[in-house]
Amino acid sequence: DAGITQSPRHKVTETGTPVTLRCHQTENHRYMYWYRQDPGHGLRLIHYSYGVKDTDKGEVSDGYSVSRSKTEDFLLTLESATSSQTSVYFCAISEYSGYGEAFFGQGTRLTVV
Amino acid sequence: GNSVTQMEGPVTLSEEAFLTINCTYTATGYPSLFWYVQYPGEGLQLLLKATKADDKGSNKGFEATYRKETTSFHLEKGSVQVSDSAVYFCALSDQEDSSYKLIFGSGTRLLVRP
Repeated sequence: DAGITQSPRHKVTETGTPVTLRCHQTENHRYMYWYRQDPGHGLRLIHYSYGVKDTDKGEVSDGYSVSRSKTEDFLLTLESATSSQTSVYFCAISEYSGYGEAFFGQGTRLTVV
Repeated sequence: GNSVTQMEGPVTLSEEAFLTINCTYTATGYPSLFWYVQYPGEGLQLLLKATKADDKGSNKGFEATYRKETTSFHLEKGSVQVSDSAVYFCALSDQEDSSYKLIFGSGTRLLVRP
């Protein structure tokens, strides 16, 4: 299994509070992604990174920011959590291959109350 | 833009039944196609992939053929087991998109009964 660790695995937070989710990889893969999984929507891309300090937005980036200061760590921050951000968040990694195959972490279940 | 459509679930089958989960796609470039599987409480795992037209991906008895003429990548298995119960996601990655991001269908839940 690819070495991807997400933390925390579960979190309950209050509306309006900041939240940071962490993704750590030991594979030295260049690309890292944050997706959210919601019923009826599959997985949707929030942000991705193609190198240290190189990030870009995905299709559902509003309300989220990311940072990548080291190859192995990719942080997702909800600046002010809202109930619509209640979801399961997955981190994924990929090496440059042209074929898009990705490896996923086990997910973080976030509940905003 | 690029998109993936897969059949609504849940799909409920008896053990040893034949499985088909339909997946069609829309792509502006040259997509690679994937099936991922998610077991309860876990992340997604790559099940199989195909990177060009007429390629057949296969793994653990599952197969899918990249059909460019019908823009489809249907997942099949000849004899399902209870352990195949999971959510299956069809996905594409546009080989001309430098982000290499995956675009997913909504997922199909499979329940196999003994």
